[in-house]
Amino acid sequence: DGGITQSPKYLFRKEGQNVTLSCEQNLNHDAMYWYRQDPGQGLRLIYYSQIVNDFQKGDIAEGYSVSREKKESFPLTVTSAQKNPTAFYLCASSGTSGRDEQFFGPGTRLTVL
Amino acid sequence: DQQVKQNSPSLSVQEGRISILNCDYTNSMFDYFLWYKKYPAEGPTFLISISSIKDKNEDGRFTVFLNKSAKHLSLHIVPSQPGDSAVYFCAASAGGYQKVTFGTGTKLQVIP
Repeated sequence: DGGITQSPKYLFRKEGQNVTLSCEQNLNHDAMYWYRQDPGQGLRLIYYSQIVNDFQKGDIAEGYSVSREKKESFPLTVTSAQKNPTAFYLCASSGTSGRDEQFFGPGTRLTVL
Repeated sequence: DQQVKQNSPSLSVQEGRISILNCDYTNSMFDYFLWYKKYPAEGPTFLISISSIKDKNEDGRFTVFLNKSAKHLSLHIVPSQPGDSAVYFCAASAGGYQKVTFGTGTKLQVIP
């Protein structure tokens, strides 16, 4: 089955700790994305990557970092510099035609205590 | 600056009736629009899209209308079914770029 997996589904961390969220896809998509969802604010783009070893900041990149060493993997690190890290994080992938729909993973709920 | 706005946070509709979800945008460069549906604790799934060269696109019970002069689009679901109860996000992109801007979502409840 082709799809996107995110792990874990729920994650708890202490304040001040970095945490890495996993995102893997087997759809052979070149483009991958990370979004954050907060109540009443829809989906906000954190980072996106259109090709391996390249990525761009989205609208709310501060306090986050990513890597794209493999086509199928796009991990997101939430650093201690992120002031409000508690949120629902969604990873997505798509083709690069500009008109391709994005396929989303099931999400990771991060809670920082 | 919210470039894609969904001003109704929620909507309740009786089963069998029409559901109309609205979306407004401010960026005149947007030329491709998508609707996604999201259930709680899951990722969104693509529903339907429309290019700015069209003013209507249909897919089964779902129709999207685009009014470029008003910078407004709407999603019509008819007839509405209880399984349609979800949050619906409007999204837009510009110039063939993969970066899309999402609206804040409208929670639809279809009452049996």
